[in-house]
Amino acid sequence: DAGVIQSPRHEVTEMGQEVTLRCKPISGHNSLFWYRQTMMRGLELLIYFNNNVPIDDSGMPEDRFSAKMPNASFSTLKIQPSEPRDSAVYFCASSFAFNRSPLHFGNGTRLTVT
Amino acid sequence: EDKVVQSPLSLVVHEGDTVTLNCSYEVTNFRSLLWYKQEKKAPTFLFMLTSSGIEKKSGRLSSILDKKELFSILNITATQTGDSAIYLCAVEALSSGTYKYIFGTGTRLKVLA
Repeated sequence: DAGVIQSPRHEVTEMGQEVTLRCKPISGHNSLFWYRQTMMRGLELLIYFNNNVPIDDSGMPEDRFSAKMPNASFSTLKIQPSEPRDSAVYFCASSFAFNRSPLHFGNGTRLTVT
Repeated sequence: EDKVVQSPLSLVVHEGDTVTLNCSYEVTNFRSLLWYKQEKKAPTFLFMLTSSGIEKKSGRLSSILDKKELFSILNITATQTGDSAIYLCAVEALSSGTYKYIFGTGTRLKVLA
């Protein structure tokens, strides 16, 4: 079974550009999480979905950040416009809620905004 | 506000040493505590703990949970250079009818040859 798949692996963009990060969760998992990791703040939960419905987006830093999950096998995290302080590694993770299964991570997208 | 705190923030030891990593938490509706190891890429799962006092063990790694005092420890015996990584603690908690995972900032372990 393929794990959580994220794309792109690396993204370098200029300030002000739109950035879209993509995630395919593990088949059968019904919860999906977006995290951001920096040296200073560690792993921060940005938003999570259950059965494709956003449950809590209180971790999204600003209105420039948005996330969607149009179906059970795909999610996007969009930053528009991007700023240098958005530079970080963004992880997508999935799990099967109600089953006490661990969270499984994708390999992350390293975003650099110049 | 839900909170997970890990200590120490970083640790440097020599091969063969034993280390103990700490994780304390304050969350409502606790369900489980998880430990992850992160090297260059994604965090990889080590242990899930749900009951107090029951040790989970895998090779040289072991972990235990104390739900009364709200903490967990991760022990690594006879450390090797391959144990160098960031060790993350996460707590799974019920929120808005489903479950979310809150992470600590991690302990950065470096094992010297």
